[in-house]
Amino acid sequence: GQSLEQPSEVTAVEGAIVQINCTYQTSGFYGLSWYQQHDGGAPTFLSYNALDGLEETGRFSSFLSRSDSYGYLLLQELQMKDSASYFCAVISNFGNEKLTFGTGTRLTIIP
Amino acid sequence: KAGVTQTPRYLIKTRGQQVTLSCSPISGHRSVSWYQQTPGQGLQFLFEYFSETQRNKGNFPGRFSGRQFSNSRSEMNVSTLELGDSALYLCASSLSTASTDTQYFGPGTRLTVL
Repeated sequence: GQSLEQPSEVTAVEGAIVQINCTYQTSGFYGLSWYQQHDGGAPTFLSYNALDGLEETGRFSSFLSRSDSYGYLLLQELQMKDSASYFCAVISNFGNEKLTFGTGTRLTIIP
Repeated sequence: KAGVTQTPRYLIKTRGQQVTLSCSPISGHRSVSWYQQTPGQGLQFLFEYFSETQRNKGNFPGRFSGRQFSNSRSEMNVSTLELGDSALYLCASSLSTASTDTQYFGPGTRLTVL
């Protein structure tokens, strides 16, 4: 089957850097996506990694290691508005699901 | 370009009733997927529609159904509601059914079953 693991909660200080890890198990892997969801809001697409390495988009970067079945989301210069839940999601040809989501990491930013 | 819209945003029903939720995808997007989000189970895939045809279905009972219209708008229906159906129902649209197409989510419909 498929499974994804990410920490349930992370707390970080405003202005600092935080890394949210995601490990996955699947077959027919295409890539790993990250979504941000504020309380009461919709998941918002942040990034997609299909190849090994780091993808940078402004303050957010995402990394993938296909050989280790591992990825992470790196948030720099943290702002209070970054407090949200972050989901990693596997894209694969396994089963019927287009996207299989992890259980999400609730990130809390403190002043 | 307008995003994905869902109506209604909030809904309260009682057990045994049925409900229909609506989703309008981003203009030009032809694939619509539905997800159920609950605190305990997270985001779970319900089904995907493309060109008015159901392409994939998740592990949900037959009480959950959907359809897609020629303009790509989609509806999902839940019959004989149960308390456990209380959830945020999200739809997501993408250009096609390609697995690598980014999915863009709507704001969701919050369904409460009493």
